[in-house]
Amino acid sequence: DIQVTQSPSSVSASVGDRVTITCRASQGIGSWLAWYQHKPGKAPELLIYAASSLQSGVPSRFSGSGSGTDFTLTISSLQPEDFATYYCQQTNIFPLTFGGGTKVEIK
Amino acid sequence: QVQLQESGPGLVKPSGTLSLTCAVSGGSISSTSWWTWIRQPPGKGLEWIGEIYHGGSTNYNPSLRSRVTMSLDKSNNQFSLRLSSVTAADTALYYCARRGAGLYYFDYWGQGTLVTVSS
Repeated sequence: DIQVTQSPSSVSASVGDRVTITCRASQGIGSWLAWYQHKPGKAPELLIYAASSLQSGVPSRFSGSGSGTDFTLTISSLQPEDFATYYCQQTNIFPLTFGGGTKVEIK
Repeated sequence: QVQLQESGPGLVKPSGTLSLTCAVSGGSISSTSWWTWIRQPPGKGLEWIGEIYHGGSTNYNPSLRSRVTMSLDKSNNQFSLRLSSVTAADTALYYCARRGAGLYYFDYWGQGTLVTVSS
């Protein structure tokens, strides 16, 4: 299985801050990576697919980059509604696997 | 807008069978989609359990394959998960989700349902 490691596991930030989350795959996966936002009690939401493609309806302050084994999700200016847990997922090989999550908390 | 809603018993006895259903609205289960189950044990990350295609083909996580069965109910526009011989390690939030054919990310998810394995 491809292991996907996210860092940090949590980050404290203020509204307006730039936040960067990293995802590393145990082997090269090209651009086959997606990012999700998850708030407690709600359905996870797809933010980014193919490493850098923004899902329809997702604000442009979210962006993704990377290829191979190293990927980044950036929130350019954190908004109150962005406090949540973020997950990456490799979309390259079965079984599909997820990172352990990064919780973005209010500073 | 596709919506997914999980349902099923919240408590299952050890060695029993976990059974969940995901009702699909706003779209047809007969569309070119893979209908998926994903779970999250308390304090842990997300684990892909497996999926079923509208034609009935399935893909299962090798770690669970021997215990998993998925099925479609086209008349009720829903799909189901059965996980046999459960233990406390199967206690988790269970999500249903959809991925489009040819795509390997999940664009629609349910809110999840907690299943606890305990006597």
